Amino acid sequence: DQQVKQNSPSLSVQEGRISILNCDYTNSMFDYFLWYKKYPAEGPTFLISISSIKDKNEDGRFTVFLNKSAKHLSLHIVPSQPGDSAVYFCAASARGNTPLVFGKGTRLSVIA
Amino acid sequence: DGGITQSPKYLFRKEGQNVTLSCEQNLNHDAMYWYRQDPGQGLRLIYYSQIVNDFQKGDIAEGYSVSREKKESFPLTVTSAQKNPTAFYLCASEEGGGHTDTQYFGPGTRLTVL
Repeated sequence: DQQVKQNSPSLSVQEGRISILNCDYTNSMFDYFLWYKKYPAEGPTFLISISSIKDKNEDGRFTVFLNKSAKHLSLHIVPSQPGDSAVYFCAASARGNTPLVFGKGTRLSVIA
Repeated sequence: DGGITQSPKYLFRKEGQNVTLSCEQNLNHDAMYWYRQDPGQGLRLIYYSQIVNDFQKGDIAEGYSVSREKKESFPLTVTSAQKNPTAFYLCASEEGGGHTDTQYFGPGTRLTVL
């Protein structure tokens, strides 16, 4: 039973436009969320995070929005660049000694 | 230069052989993790350790074993009992002590069993 779901396996976006990657979760105990970016044959790198006390966190071109009532978060990339082409993983964390739970990832392709 | 190292980058083994994947970190992190990535499966947790000399099974621990004798090292052994060992293996570490810590990943090891 997947607690963190990324329902779109892939997404294609034109360079310069907005990319929106979505993530849904089922466990109401999750209160901290992270996005990671992964290139082929490399380890994921941390991108941005958000705590449940916020509904938005911004870092340069990347913004994460959290809708707690809908148990939904999204990552916005504006403007999208070809170097953003990668797999993006959403992850969630709950208090206590439980490890991060990852979604299956969304492959973003930014077309020049 | 702080970070997580995994060696080797590519590893080939014959079916039925045990193989050990190395993971070392010099970040002074307490917690370390092993994941497996298969196409379309995302990151699946194999084992994790939050402190030296202690570790817990993740979601897919069968056929794997680990040890955590030193803070900086968390080797993973893929045993012959693992039915489908060919995959991309990722090690991560985390400072530990809080659920808002960030996990940092190594570059990964691609294991191919022939």
